[in-house]
Amino acid sequence: SQQGEEDPQALSIQEGENATMNCSYKTSINNLQWYRQNSGRGLVHLILIRSNEREKHSGRLRVTLDTSKKSSSLLITASRAADTASYFCATPLNQAGTALIFGKGTTLSVSS
Amino acid sequence: KAGVTQTPRYLIKTRGQQVTLSCSPISGHRSVSWYQQTPGQGLQFLFEYFSETQRNKGNFPGRFSGRQFSNSRSEMNVSTLELGDSALYLCASSLEGNSAYEQYFGPGTRLTVT
Repeated sequence: SQQGEEDPQALSIQEGENATMNCSYKTSINNLQWYRQNSGRGLVHLILIRSNEREKHSGRLRVTLDTSKKSSSLLITASRAADTASYFCATPLNQAGTALIFGKGTTLSVSS
Repeated sequence: KAGVTQTPRYLIKTRGQQVTLSCSPISGHRSVSWYQQTPGQGLQFLFEYFSETQRNKGNFPGRFSGRQFSNSRSEMNVSTLELGDSALYLCASSLEGNSAYEQYFGPGTRLTVT
């Protein structure tokens, strides 16, 4: 079963606007990761946030984590057409190993 | 450094056949994980290897198997293929064997079963 569930499933915005995606998960975690996938290709790691962190930035990306609500959000500021992709949150399967459980993803479409 | 490579990139097989997919991790990475991606089920974890040992296995039937070699390269095998096995199979490598490290994904192998 999916650990993380993203919301919304699809998002369409104009270039320059901000895009916010949310992720909810079910069990306690020690970190949460966000990945991007361009149309049927491999995933690209965007950011990892640890359970003791509340917010993390990387360029135009801002990720928040609320462990009390078991939720995370990914904000992309000043979106570009090149940001068009699917975005997934992922949480560890367990404490031992690298296996990840992915959500269904949010498909972001940025039009110029 | 070269990224994660997967071969072949595309594959068409017939029901009942078997298939072997290969993954070469980034040099120095010891952990390799495999995922299946389908439109209906999304990204699902298959198995994870670290230093030639399978550490985790997803909820897939025994027709799915894998292994890791001493050079960290990994293969996965699917026997008695079914139409539902059509998917994008993704391999990911990580420097160390815990989730605190980001994973680097290959481009995937797109398997079509007819």
